[in-house]
Amino acid sequence: GENVEQHPSTLSVQEGDSAVIKCTYSDSASNYFPWYKQELGKGPQLIIDIRSNVGEKKDQRIAVTLNKTAKHFSLHITETQPEDSAVYFCAAGSGTSYGKLTFGQGTILTVHP
Amino acid sequence: GAVVSQHPSWVICKSGTSVKIECRSLDFQATTMFWYRQFPKQSLMLMATSNEGSKATYEQGVEKDKFLINHASLTLSTLTVTSAHPEDSSFYICSAPLAGVNEQFFGPGTRLTVL
Repeated sequence: GENVEQHPSTLSVQEGDSAVIKCTYSDSASNYFPWYKQELGKGPQLIIDIRSNVGEKKDQRIAVTLNKTAKHFSLHITETQPEDSAVYFCAAGSGTSYGKLTFGQGTILTVHP
Repeated sequence: GAVVSQHPSWVICKSGTSVKIECRSLDFQATTMFWYRQFPKQSLMLMATSNEGSKATYEQGVEKDKFLINHASLTLSTLTVTSAHPEDSSFYICSAPLAGVNEQFFGPGTRLTVL
């Protein structure tokens, strides 16, 4: 089955700096790569996603890049703000199973004012 | 749109009792829903896929007789933790994909504490 590795496990930045989180996946059949933000005691919220026919996608301060050959994708957050502090999860969706996602281990992002 | 709710948001029960958690898609129909379990400071682990009108599909290592799933309508799936024990204490989260796409919408989660 699919295996998703996420790094780093914790990331501490100063407000205004950029943050980058990286994930690798194992199943070449995966074609959907979402990123979720989870705040304490809440369910994950989708912040951005990318599909295998696109190399990069941007939404304001958030961007995701995908390298299908190397089987890795990354989340980039620019101009970080304290409210960006949360746990971020990457995931990979297999095209062989409707909607099924495998999650990475998570990254605790702390943005210091 | 695409809101998923869960009830209850938290529950405390005694060891040996059963607990039912509901997952509802509020503004769309979901023939499939997913149930995840998340232990503190860990990732989401898929437990099972809930299919409307048919049996759920369980992931390897998940006891189907302990975690009963019923998907009786296009907007409701329930997870019943039977004979709960302290090691079942966890954050249970459901999700539902929109028809035709892989995008999933997650519920707010249910915190289960078994004493």
